[in-house]
Amino acid sequence: AQSVTQLDSHVSVSEGTPVLLRCNYSSSYSPSLFWYVQHPNKGLQLLLKYTSAATLVKGINGFEAEFKKSETSFHLTKPSAHMSDAAEYFCVVSVGSGGYQKVTFGTGTKLQVIP
Amino acid sequence: GAVVSQHPSRVICKSGTSVKIECRSLDFQATTMFWYRQFPKQSLMLMATSNEGSKATYEQGVEKDKFLINHASLTLSTLTVTSAHPEDSSFYICSASSLGTGKMETQYFGPGTRLLVL
Repeated sequence: AQSVTQLDSHVSVSEGTPVLLRCNYSSSYSPSLFWYVQHPNKGLQLLLKYTSAATLVKGINGFEAEFKKSETSFHLTKPSAHMSDAAEYFCVVSVGSGGYQKVTFGTGTKLQVIP
Repeated sequence: GAVVSQHPSRVICKSGTSVKIECRSLDFQATTMFWYRQFPKQSLMLMATSNEGSKATYEQGVEKDKFLINHASLTLSTLTVTSAHPEDSSFYICSASSLGTGKMETQYFGPGTRLLVL
């Protein structure tokens, strides 16, 4: 069994301040972990992924996430928020490959950036 | 690269009719395609997973006779909502993946199709 918990449904930050979006997971196997972003009326875009290589993963648009096995966490961070970062962010855990993937989405965190 | 399209982007139909949604990988061959459903203000729920040329694997609680999935080629999968009812109104999203390095795969998502059943 696997699950994903995004601890905050809404996060509000001021432009230029750091962003922290929290994600905890549980999995019986070694998972792959992803963060996706969904802007209003647009499709999901991959921000970054962890696939058992380096635990600190850098993604697009200045985002990064650190895989901490001891804490079963994969929090998403960015040093300085930009107005264009306002969107919904999904943490995803995946086990397996091909047609045998088990994919679970978190419930999403809506990021608001205040000018 | 890794672009996935969906057609149509929006569809309105009458109750009892069937609706077909297409998902295409435009610049890569998708070994696996996934279909999700997203209700307003909720997360994505995986409906089914399909590999090219084989039957789809449906998640628990998803009626395979109602949501017909065909993955006829490495670039095209279709979802047909048969005898649609108002409760089928939702946002349907497909994704496609292809084996990358190692065994880990990344899903690339289509823009979604909004279905409204009257």
